[in-house]
Amino acid sequence: DTAVSQTPKYLVTQMGNDKSIKCEQNLGHDTMYWYKQDSKKFLKIMFSYNNKELIINETVPNRFSPKSPDKAHLNLHINSLELGDSAVYFCASSQNPSARETQYFGPGTRLLVL
Amino acid sequence: AQSVTQLDSQVPVFEEAPVELRCNYSSSVSVYLFWYVQYPNQGLQLLLKYLSGSTLVKGINGFEAEFNKSQTSFHLRKPSVHISDTAEYFCAVSAPGTDKLIFGTGTRLQVFP
Repeated sequence: DTAVSQTPKYLVTQMGNDKSIKCEQNLGHDTMYWYKQDSKKFLKIMFSYNNKELIINETVPNRFSPKSPDKAHLNLHINSLELGDSAVYFCASSQNPSARETQYFGPGTRLLVL
Repeated sequence: AQSVTQLDSQVPVFEEAPVELRCNYSSSVSVYLFWYVQYPNQGLQLLLKYLSGSTLVKGINGFEAEFNKSQTSFHLRKPSVHISDTAEYFCAVSAPGTDKLIFGTGTRLQVFP
């Protein structure tokens, strides 16, 4: 059973396009996150949601819009894609928004913008 | 604000040798410390974490780490590595009152036969 799943696994697209990445967790967790991992493997949080409400927004461009239809899903929509958006995007979840909690990561979505 | 430094970007080691991956952190408040492992083309998986109590923390796959407050370090160790331990290892820190994990830049452990 996959705990945190993401689709698609790979995404290749042209500059200027709009794309979405979907994330689902079946762990019953309240909190979900999006991270961006750049080409140097540096991992940085973008957003976190708790019970469908945004609690962290790390100065990410407005072109990125997360949407949480329910506690088990957190999707990421990206408008007007740029070359610099090429990265691996990881979704994660935790039981609650506590610094003590373990975060469980999905397998990642590899985005390449041409 | 918190930060994490992993000084070694790559650590090559032979199979069955011991290994230590270094992690130092900076914070003005007490922190929680984590080690995550990322196998090729996969997501991150928790190895171990320090929340409080005993400074020696044991994790999965035979790894352990020791919290040293005076040296602000949380080094990861394994007495005998296996080829399957080849992966990227990330140290991370969080602070009470926030759920934000701050990651280091990662250390690539390469185990050779």
